[in-house]
Amino acid sequence: GAVVSQHPSWVICKSGTSVKIECRSLDFQATTMFWYRQFPKQSLMLMATSNEGSKATYEQGVEKDKFLINHASLTLSTLTVTSAHPEDSSFYICSAAGQGVSPLHFGNGTRLTVT
Amino acid sequence: QKEVEQDPGPLSVPEGAIVSLNCTYSNSAFQYFMWYRQYSRKGPELLMYTYSSGNKEDGRFTAQVDKSSKYISLFIRDSQPSDSATYLCAFRGSTLGRLYFGRGTQLTVWP
Repeated sequence: GAVVSQHPSWVICKSGTSVKIECRSLDFQATTMFWYRQFPKQSLMLMATSNEGSKATYEQGVEKDKFLINHASLTLSTLTVTSAHPEDSSFYICSAAGQGVSPLHFGNGTRLTVT
Repeated sequence: QKEVEQDPGPLSVPEGAIVSLNCTYSNSAFQYFMWYRQYSRKGPELLMYTYSSGNKEDGRFTAQVDKSSKYISLFIRDSQPSDSATYLCAFRGSTLGRLYFGRGTQLTVWP
């Protein structure tokens, strides 16, 4: 149980374009989803926490207008990187929690490369 | 002082060796302690989860927590090449709260 799926697993986009990453909970209803970013050989850094039906809470230093998070249903949250730049190239990972399910399990991540 | 400290390594050991990985933390509110394994270009995979001081064993893996010293360890016995990965320690203060991660230790087990 507690399976979290991410899509796509990797994406390459041109500078200035927007990219959407999906995070789905496959076998439970996720009231909360967490979005992390990981640079090479670095730890996972929390970007934002999203609760179903409400606005996301962003960590200090994360631009909310650049990283748009939508958590419109209990099984899907999306992260949109708007006007992407090469410095946004990173590994983005989500985890989910809800109905007694702890946010211990992660998706397989999305590797974003901005050229 | 960082909330979580973990030696990034890299650590290289021969097959069959006992591996010891460690983290220290400073936040007394941390009540739950995790170890994750992360293969290259993959999401972290939960290995061990504990919430009290002492040892917890699962196969070749033993997690050790010392709350008084704010120190946790992961031991891998009879290490295998397939154990080659990055190991991250993680902490949290409540059952549904966010996780705080160490930098990860890169481990290579050579045959």
